[in-house]
Amino acid sequence: NAGVTQTPKFRILKIGQSMTLQCTQDMNHNYMYWYRQDPGMGLKLIYYSVGAGITDKGEVPNGYNVSRSTTEDFPLRLELAAPSQTSVYFCASRLTGDSPLHFGNGTRLTVT
Amino acid sequence: KQEVTQIPAALSVPEGENLVLNCSFTDSAIYNLQWFRQDPGKGLTSLLLIQSSQREQTSGRLNASLDKSSGRSTLYIAASQPGDSATYLCAPIKAAGNKLTFGGGTRVLVKP
Repeated sequence: NAGVTQTPKFRILKIGQSMTLQCTQDMNHNYMYWYRQDPGMGLKLIYYSVGAGITDKGEVPNGYNVSRSTTEDFPLRLELAAPSQTSVYFCASRLTGDSPLHFGNGTRLTVT
Repeated sequence: KQEVTQIPAALSVPEGENLVLNCSFTDSAIYNLQWFRQDPGKGLTSLLLIQSSQREQTSGRLNASLDKSSGRSTLYIAASQPGDSATYLCAPIKAAGNKLTFGGGTRVLVKP
């Protein structure tokens, strides 16, 4: 199993551009999450999904959108990128509410 | 809203010393609690998952305790090694919604 795979690893965007951060997992996990981590800070939840076709907002959803058309994929869309979205983005998944959370290696995004 | 605090924020110890990392949370209605390790520039690695019905969980040199009623969890690392240098994060999981809330982490440095 590859686990949770995130692409790209690094990206630089200009203000106002848009992009999609990809996340895929091959563990048949139902639950998937997107977090952002700002320098020296903890993780904040952006969006999460408890299964295909079901998504919900987390703590900091403004400026982002998600979709979950398949169990494997949970892309995060940034529209109109802003400097405040400069961060490291982590995707995570787990099978059920009882099971451990597995993380991808992150996408480092800079908006200038 | 769940608030998670980790004390101390940073810790530096000589090799061989035992480590005690504290995590406190405001909402005791949790489903379980997970401890993670994060190396610089990397994603999070799961260390231990404690179910709400358990009082502690052990894995090798790691032991985590959970006291739901007082809103506390403690991670003990015995006989620390330089390879234990990392940031350690705790995340209680609410019963409803299965959302994890992360603490800010404790940055540990073990000196040879």
